[in-house]
Amino acid sequence: DTAVSQTPKYLVTQMGNDKSIKCEQNLGHDTMYWYKQDSKKFLKIMFSYNNKELIINETVPNRFSPKSPDKAHLNLHINSLELGDSAVYFCASSQEGNNSPLHFGNGTRLTVT
Amino acid sequence: GEDVEQSLFLSVREGDSSVINCTYTDSSSTYLYWYKQEPGAGLQLLTYIFSNMDMKQDQRLTVLLNKKDKHLSLRIADTQTGDSAIYFCAEVRPGYQKVTFGTGTKLQVIP
Repeated sequence: DTAVSQTPKYLVTQMGNDKSIKCEQNLGHDTMYWYKQDSKKFLKIMFSYNNKELIINETVPNRFSPKSPDKAHLNLHINSLELGDSAVYFCASSQEGNNSPLHFGNGTRLTVT
Repeated sequence: GEDVEQSLFLSVREGDSSVINCTYTDSSSTYLYWYKQEPGAGLQLLTYIFSNMDMKQDQRLTVLLNKKDKHLSLRIADTQTGDSAIYFCAEVRPGYQKVTFGTGTKLQVIP
């Protein structure tokens, strides 16, 4: 009955590969997000999706693309992986409205070698 | 500036109070949150405060907000070893639900 689940938990891959991280939420939330946490634990938003519309897209390389097949899923696809992409990626969701906190998944640790 | 600032590290003895500070950036922020991240886990919402409040208490947690100085603090009373984690403050800016996280404070509780 996990609220926000993402897979895989760990992902080790070589430079140049293409990989995807999946995220699903069963909370009925309207908005889903992807965050990147670097080695210093800084958290930066990458994307958010609301009703299949991209709302926020920070200065993220276009090698990263979010894909939302439906309201409950927001997958992160990464092309041509680079060493600097190594980080922990968190999926989150929230209900629409300013007083709706984020609910996070447990993260995917991506290591690019 | 864009960054929400926090001290990187805090060490306290078990049973003492912990105070984690945060300086946020946008005076129009509507809500401010405190999240806890344990090792290998995602962020867990601890508490939040609306911008028209000065203080909020929730069991061992007390949140203080100084809007004039854009300063937020989280006090944990009777700190336990299970409180050891990284604590993030976050501000919500109006209009498009943008949540900006602080740099995180690692709390170490010494038995």
